[in-house]
Amino acid sequence: DTGVSQDPRHKITKRGQNVTFRCDPISEHNRLYWYRQTLGQGPEFLTYFQNEAQLEKSRLLSDRFSAERPKGSFSTLEIQRTEQGDSAMYLCASSSTSGEDEQYFGPGTRLTVT
Amino acid sequence: DAKTTQPPSMDCAEGRAANLPCNHSTISGNEYVYWYRQIHSQGPQYIIHGLKNNETNEMASLIITEDRKSSTLILPHATLRDTAVYYCIVRVATTTSSALEPDAPTGGGNKLTFGTGTQLKVEL
Repeated sequence: DTGVSQDPRHKITKRGQNVTFRCDPISEHNRLYWYRQTLGQGPEFLTYFQNEAQLEKSRLLSDRFSAERPKGSFSTLEIQRTEQGDSAMYLCASSSTSGEDEQYFGPGTRLTVT
Repeated sequence: DAKTTQPPSMDCAEGRAANLPCNHSTISGNEYVYWYRQIHSQGPQYIIHGLKNNETNEMASLIITEDRKSSTLILPHATLRDTAVYYCIVRVATTTSSALEPDAPTGGGNKLTFGTGTQLKVEL
């Protein structure tokens, strides 16, 4: 299966620690998105890359959050000094400019901050 | 992006067609209707999208009214595995120009704005 993959699937961390998540998009997709989802809500957009360029960031993405996509392939999302409010599912999606931008999602990384 | 309205929940008997409605009365000419679903604890799954014509794929059919102010996602023979939250999203498809507004700006990715969706429960 060459779908979107995310690692780790689950992460438990203590408040104040830094965490990093990885997303590997579908290989031919040049667009990559990060979303966050809390319990009972739909996913909320965080940021978007086209190739290695970060083109849009949500106001939800505070200074403690940083995302990179250094070679235009995989992406990382880092959260510094985690807070309990950061507990959520972090979802990655990818799409291709050759289609009509249908986004395909990975399984997500569930973060629990204790 | 235009706002969508969906019922919070629906039930369907296994083997029957599930018809999930969505209202998007403020949709613009260059906005498409996308449907995604999310099975518990998994990432959202793309189902189908359309502009004005009805669309069908291996998963579902999408019926868009002539005025484009509402649409219905149809799962022709629902199974227990179709139990999920279904999201209707209206968004500009940013890679190609729209047949309804060919001069509308294109290019650039665009986020999906999810609402709370419809929780479909398929039962025996």
